[in-house]
Amino acid sequence: GDSVTQMEGPVTLSEEAFLTINCTYTATGYPSLFWYVQYPGEGLQLLLKATKADDKGSNKGFEATYRKETTSFHLEKGSVQVSDSAVYFCALSSFSGGYNKLIFGAGTRLAVHP
Amino acid sequence: DTGVSQDPRHKITKRGQNVTFRCDPISEHNRLYWYRQTLGQGPEFLTYFQNEAQLEKSRLLSDRFSAERPKGSFSTLEIQRTEQGDSAMYLCASGSGTGGADTQYFGPGTRLTVL
Repeated sequence: GDSVTQMEGPVTLSEEAFLTINCTYTATGYPSLFWYVQYPGEGLQLLLKATKADDKGSNKGFEATYRKETTSFHLEKGSVQVSDSAVYFCALSSFSGGYNKLIFGAGTRLAVHP
Repeated sequence: DTGVSQDPRHKITKRGQNVTFRCDPISEHNRLYWYRQTLGQGPEFLTYFQNEAQLEKSRLLSDRFSAERPKGSFSTLEIQRTEQGDSAMYLCASGSGTGGADTQYFGPGTRLTVL
């Protein structure tokens, strides 16, 4: 079945460092790919998405490119801030029967220190 | 656009009691999803509504779980005879679409603790 694998955390960085969180997927067909962020005690917020191969999603300085050849959707940010500390989830949409359900990775916790 | 809301935000109950959670989706969204998230894990799909019709239920949704979406608006998720293993965050998401993939927007979740 469809699945998502993320790099294990926690990822600990100093402020202004470069961030990469790896995400790879296994899917039949051509899923859309998403990154969601979860702050402590809150629900998930959509960070960015890409719907087809070679699309780049971007938001708030974060970027991810849909790479079909490597089945990857790595999240990057050039300069992280303390306020970026959160758990990041990679997800794919598994479409069947006229709707899509999201399949999530286990999440990667990011801690940014001043 | 007021976003997806869920009530209550936290619920503590004793084993064997029944609990009910409510989700109010974004008003123009016809699709509604429930997910469950346990500590340290990503959310897992539970069930899906297209308008008022419940079109799929995960095998995670045992007979003790029931979900409804009367009139295609808000939705409720009821758990009967709660067990300690039901302790989790229950997330609701809504999206719009008549075919193909949609983007899902999540509520803040209801955290259930079963003692």
